[in-house]
Amino acid sequence: QVQLQQWGAGLLKPSETLSLTCAVYGGSFSDFYWSWIRQPPGKGLEWIGEINHSGSANFNPSLRSRGTISVDTSKNQFSLKLSSLTAADTAIYYCARGRFGGSSSPFDYWGQGTLVTVSS
Amino acid sequence: DIVMTQSPATLSVSPGERATLSCRASQSVSSNLAWYQQKPGQAPRLLIYGAATRATGIPDRFTGSGSGTEFTLTISSLQSEDFAVYFCQQYNNWPPFTFGPGTKVDIK
Repeated sequence: QVQLQQWGAGLLKPSETLSLTCAVYGGSFSDFYWSWIRQPPGKGLEWIGEINHSGSANFNPSLRSRGTISVDTSKNQFSLKLSSLTAADTAIYYCARGRFGGSSSPFDYWGQGTLVTVSS
Repeated sequence: DIVMTQSPATLSVSPGERATLSCRASQSVSSNLAWYQQKPGQAPRLLIYGAATRATGIPDRFTGSGSGTEFTLTISSLQSEDFAVYFCQQYNNWPPFTFGPGTKVDIK
């Protein structure tokens, strides 16, 4: 059974940097791409970016300039950093399992979500 | 980016009735289309992938259909646990993967 457990700071000030980490338990870490997705309260879902075990990453062009995704294969973990935060970045942030290898795949396992609030 | 739209925004249905949700893509996504269910306070749950394949453990009252730009999710007989928000998502062209705005299915 695959489980994703995520953590990180939930209250940040404008201009600060968001930092979240997701740990993967069960299944194969190296066979998949691992994604971050966010959801403003009461709104829809926005894909942020993905990374695989070798560090190959893809980003949503709308966030690429502010975001970094990294991976720690020794711990089966991946992390998101998003800089220059504004109130518009307030959202629930999810980690999720995505593409299998180089294929097209949906997001089949999700973390529990972390509410990040950006407020002065 | 591929823009996903969903209709209706809200669907009011009585328990036991059928619900039909629509999803449209701004350009063809072939059959690379997924449906997710989200309940309050929970992460989305994968229901359907490949436009028509049920994910593990999903009951057969959920049926997906369509290809190209037009897709449908049908819930044949709504149960109390099915009242939720449903999102479609394309994974044919990335980056970025894109989601529809969601359809809320509530109790009539």
